[in-house]
Amino acid sequence: GESVGLHLPTLSVQEGDNSIINCAYSNSASDYFIWYKQESGKGPQFIIDIRSNMDKRQGQRVTVLLNKTVKHLSLQIAATQPGDSAVYFCAETGANNLFFGTGTRLTVIP
Amino acid sequence: EPEVTQTPSHQVTQMGQEVILRCVPISNHLYFYWYRQILGQKVEFLVSFYNNEISEKSEIFDDQFSVERPDGSNFTLKIRSTKLEDSAMYFCASSDRDRYFYEQYFGPGTRLTVT
Repeated sequence: GESVGLHLPTLSVQEGDNSIINCAYSNSASDYFIWYKQESGKGPQFIIDIRSNMDKRQGQRVTVLLNKTVKHLSLQIAATQPGDSAVYFCAETGANNLFFGTGTRLTVIP
Repeated sequence: EPEVTQTPSHQVTQMGQEVILRCVPISNHLYFYWYRQILGQKVEFLVSFYNNEISEKSEIFDDQFSVERPDGSNFTLKIRSTKLEDSAMYFCASSDRDRYFYEQYFGPGTRLTVT
């Protein structure tokens, strides 16, 4: 079955620095990939998504990069702020559901 | 901004008891989902629901689980006879498939504790 996983379970960055969170996936047939942010005690919150026919998509302070050759997805957060501290999940879409990775905990050091 | 709501926020029940977790999806959404997250683990898909029937379910969603949309606003998850291993956060989500890039909007979750 599909497998979505993350390279690192934790990441600490200084406030103002850029953050890069990585994700590997195994199902080359996946059509959409989504990044979610989960703050403590809350449900996952959509950040940004990317379709498989794209390599890059930018949002507000966030960029998602998709490398289909090596089945790798990354989330870049520019000028990381304390409010960015959370667990970040990548997810790939099945027909009617999402398959989540295990998550990376981002800690922003003031 | 419209949001998915869930009640209760925390449910404590004894093993073997039935529980019903309730969700109110975003009003114009057509697709509804339940996920669970065991403490410290990843979010796992349980079931998706569209047009008053289950569209897909995972291996976790066995005969002890059922879902229902009893009226035009609520979406419920029932666990008939809870087990200790059912203790987890349960998240409801809804989506609007009319979007080109569809998004699933998650509720805040219900923490289920089975004792």
